[in-house]
Amino acid sequence: QKEVEQDPGPLSVPEGAIVSLNCTYSNSAFQYFMWYRQYSRKGPELLMYTYSSGNKEDGRFTAQVDKSSKYISLFIRDSQPSDSATYLCATRIGTASKLTFGTGTRLQVTL
Amino acid sequence: NAGVTQTPKFRILKIGQSMTLQCTQDMNHNYMYWYRQDPGMGLKLIYYSVGAGITDKGEVPNGYNVSRSTTEDFPLRLELAAPSQTSVYFCASREANGNRDYEQYFGPGTRLTVT
Repeated sequence: QKEVEQDPGPLSVPEGAIVSLNCTYSNSAFQYFMWYRQYSRKGPELLMYTYSSGNKEDGRFTAQVDKSSKYISLFIRDSQPSDSATYLCATRIGTASKLTFGTGTRLQVTL
Repeated sequence: NAGVTQTPKFRILKIGQSMTLQCTQDMNHNYMYWYRQDPGMGLKLIYYSVGAGITDKGEVPNGYNVSRSTTEDFPLRLELAAPSQTSVYFCASREANGNRDYEQYFGPGTRLTVT
């Protein structure tokens, strides 16, 4: 079993839709949870970061972590064509050196 | 700041050839990483370093070598290239501690094809 599971998609939604992207993880020791966005032929860049359980909002983006069910979510409101990218969830144990990444979900927002 | 830079952007290698992928960061980050990304497979950690002179294996180190003689540079060496090493390679760095020690900064990637 992979430590972090993520549906690879692709996920196609119309402009303005609410998007829900999800990951599950198996290691209860994970404490830091991140979402990276990767545009085609570019390197990933950090989008959202959450420590432990709870919600975090930044503009149209909301990151949610439920440690009891080991579930990580990213919600995108009023989705735009510029949101079309691959979204990777990532986790970390404490101050450990390494991140564990999901496989990424490819999102396409259509006009 | 240029951030994390990688060279070359693209390379085609023949089976059995060797090459070095270059990575440089100008943010004075102690931690540096090499990943490979295959379609639909996410990012796999090859090697990482927590400071000059210190390196350690990641998830998929076979067929690769690294060195870290300076804080800025973290080259990845491929010896005896194989078709299985066809991939996109990303270098990343982060600060050791501080307010943003959770954030890894990625370079633009090197697309490598081995034929």
